[in-house]
Amino acid sequence: QKEVEQDPGPLSVPEGAIVSLNCTYSNSAFQYFMWYRQYSRKGPELLMYTYSSGNKEDGRFTAQVDKSSKYISLFIRDSQPSDSATYLCAMSAGRTSGSRLTFGEGTQLTVNP
Amino acid sequence: KAGVTQTPRYLIKTRGQQVTLSCSPISGHRSVSWYQQTPGQGLQFLFEYFSETQRNKGNFPGRFSGRQFSNSRSEMNVSTLELGDSALYLCASREEGGHSPLHFGNGTRLTVT
Repeated sequence: QKEVEQDPGPLSVPEGAIVSLNCTYSNSAFQYFMWYRQYSRKGPELLMYTYSSGNKEDGRFTAQVDKSSKYISLFIRDSQPSDSATYLCAMSAGRTSGSRLTFGEGTQLTVNP
Repeated sequence: KAGVTQTPRYLIKTRGQQVTLSCSPISGHRSVSWYQQTPGQGLQFLFEYFSETQRNKGNFPGRFSGRQFSNSRSEMNVSTLELGDSALYLCASREEGGHSPLHFGNGTRLTVT
């Protein structure tokens, strides 16, 4: 079983829709949680970065972490065609893990005009 | 600030050859890590370098190696290439101190024939 599970999609929504992306994990040591966006032929771009449980909002994006359920989510409000990309969740156990992130397999999102 | 820069963007090699990939981190970032991205396995951690020393290593064979120079630039080498080494190789850098997120380059696409 993978440490991080993410529905690969693909997910297709109309412009303006609210998008919900989710990951579950099994390692209770994970403390830092990230969401990356990856466009075709590009590297992952950091969207959200959170520590422990709670919510964080940045513009149209909201990240939620529920450590008790080992579940994280990314919500995109008023989705735009430019949001069409693959979204990757990532997490790490803490400072001793350094740059060692564990990624989900990514969800491919298409926002249709 | 300029982002993480990786060269070359594309490489085609023959099985059995070796290859060297290059990475320049964001200015001021002293930690550099490498990831392999494939459709089947997703993003997998290769290794991390800090102050010219490898301080974390993923589960890859010894054919995969790296180094870091005094200016924080890093190189990754793969010897005796196999068909399964075909992948997008991503370099990432981050600030040191506390737990800071990774910032990725656009990768080197390696094709082994």
